[in-house]
Amino acid sequence: AQTVTQSQPEMSVQEAETVTLSCTYDTSESDYYLFWYKQPPSRQMILVIRQEAYKQQNATENRFSVNFQKAAKSFSLKISDSQLGDAAMYFCAYRSASGGGADGLTFGKGTHLIIQP
Amino acid sequence: DGGITQSPKYLFRKEGQNVTLSCEQNLNHDAMYWYRQDPGQGLRLIYYSQIVNDFQKGDIAEGYSVSREKKESFPLTVTSAQKNPTAFYLCASKLDRWSTEAFFGQGTRLTVV
Repeated sequence: AQTVTQSQPEMSVQEAETVTLSCTYDTSESDYYLFWYKQPPSRQMILVIRQEAYKQQNATENRFSVNFQKAAKSFSLKISDSQLGDAAMYFCAYRSASGGGADGLTFGKGTHLIIQP
Repeated sequence: DGGITQSPKYLFRKEGQNVTLSCEQNLNHDAMYWYRQDPGQGLRLIYYSQIVNDFQKGDIAEGYSVSREKKESFPLTVTSAQKNPTAFYLCASKLDRWSTEAFFGQGTRLTVV
């Protein structure tokens, strides 16, 4: 079974600064997808960024980028120029690419990101 | 507007009663999922359905039941057999089992009183 570990229950960053959220995972598969989801106080899950394991290039979406280290099974999220609206719970998630069997997401426990003005 | 609708937003249940949480989507998605979220925990998969009239148990299915009689609907019943039902429940859907992006509803907060 796959597991996803987020070792930082809470992180704090000054507005306009850069912060990195950590995520490691364990899997025996070679093809899979990794995700970062944001859950603001409204509790709506919002997809932030997605990475396909077969792609070596790190995914980027505006101020959000990842550092994907496949051999180390590490998938960190970097938020540049932090804004007050970035304050939320952030969840790292894994999904097999096999297409068979259970295809739900496996989530980490989350990191609570606080933005200080 | 296309999307996933969960209702109600807040639900209270007395111990020993069954309760059904609604999840409806108008995205024409084949695959639908139910997750449970507890404080300090990530989301955990309860049940999933990759196509209408078929569903499978996820990681924590005990005490729950589902049906998938229509493509757009995937209701979750929390039975009296679920020992700790107070939690936040999220429904999600994808175009199909191979799609990468899941769309989430806004959740239902269930409290046992």
